[in-house]
Order: sequence, then C-alpha cells, then structure tokens
Amino acid sequence: AQSVSQHNHHVILSEAASLELGCNYSYGGTVNLFWYVQYPGQHLQLLLKYFSGDPLVKGIKGFEAEFIKSKFSFNLRKPSVQWSDTAEYFCAVNKGTGGFKTIFGAGTRLFVKA
Amino acid sequence: NAGVTQTPKFRILKIGQSMTLQCAQDMNHNYMYWYRQDPGMGLKLIYYSVGAGITDKGEVPNGYNVSRSTTEDFPLRLELAAPSQTSVYFCASSYPDDEQYFGPGTRLTVT
Repeated sequence: AQSVSQHNHHVILSEAASLELGCNYSYGGTVNLFWYVQYPGQHLQLLLKYFSGDPLVKGIKGFEAEFIKSKFSFNLRKPSVQWSDTAEYFCAVNKGTGGFKTIFGAGTRLFVKA
Repeated sequence: NAGVTQTPKFRILKIGQSMTLQCAQDMNHNYMYWYRQDPGMGLKLIYYSVGAGITDKGEVPNGYNVSRSTTEDFPLRLELAAPSQTSVYFCASSYPDDEQYFGPGTRLTVT
C-alpha cells in the first residue's frame, strides 16, 4: 500500500537556524507531491507542490523542496527559520490519477524558539 | 470567494447522539473530502466524492455517512456518536490531482 513517511515528529530550532524536514513515499510510479502547513489552531494550507519539471520547487514564505526520484524523497527546506514558522508540516502524495488517493504523512511539529 | 466553509466550529455530543457536520465550497471543485485529525496521527480520509451523486469510503468510514446532492455541499453525518469519534474534522475540496483546499475544521467532543 502507498505510504508517506515523515522522519521527524518533533523538531525544535532557534530562530535563523536552517530547516530540513524529511519525507519519503513508497509509490514507484508517477506522483504529485505536496507540502502543507498547519499553523496553531488553523486549517492546512499549501506551501508548495511538485507535478513535473524542475525538481527544486519554491513555495511561499521562503520554503523550497527537492524531489529526488531515485530516493523517493521530497524534503522540505528553509535556510533561516523564524518564530512565525512554528507549525505542523505535512507531506502528501498522490498518484496523479485521481485526487482522492492523496496520502498524508503523520506530520512534523516544528517549534522555533525566539 | 469564501473557499471551503464548515459549521459548526465546535460541538459537544453525548454518546449515542447524532449530528451533521456541514461543508460547502464555492470553487466549483468536483472533488470533496472529509478527514479526521487526531494528535500525532496525521489526516485520515473518512469519505470522498468525485462529483454530485458520487461518494465512496476512505480509510476510516465506520460510524459516518455522507451525501453529495450538489457540487457545493458535502455534509458528514454521525449517527450514533461514540467517544472514539472525538476528533477534529476537516472538509476539503480540489480539482482532480491538484492541491486540496481545507475548511477551518470542526472540533468535536463526544462524552
């Protein structure tokens, strides 16, 4: 069965530190990849997405992600985090053949210390 | 453009009671979804719909029912509430294969 693994459940960083959140998926075919963010008390919203083309994708608020097909990975990065980046981050994958098959990872809670 | 709206925001139910969580979207998306979110467990798909009149089960459908009579609305029905249904419920909508737009959520407690 298709699955999405996020390696870190909790991450604590100081402001200005660099961030990398891991995401691996199990499906071997064509995939669409997403990172969503959920700020405290709010709903999920899209950070960035990858369908095809340049494997380095830039999203909102300075986030980027790199799709490495050989590693089945789609890691999220930010060079310098801010206190306002404190949130939960979800990686999601679908097969590109019907959006209802989107699988979400369990999420990574990021806390940024001011 | 309101996006995806959900009502109510909060609800407390007694065991055995019933309720309907409302969801509406104004983006003309064919695909709509209901998820539940439990701490540390990510999102679990309850039901989804690919268009008016078409619904299907997701990962955790037991204890829930849905209907989709219009493109805009996708209500979720809990018939006999149980403590295991205490959760935060999110409705979402999308075009096929594309990003999902989420509603603000409903926090449900069953006691």
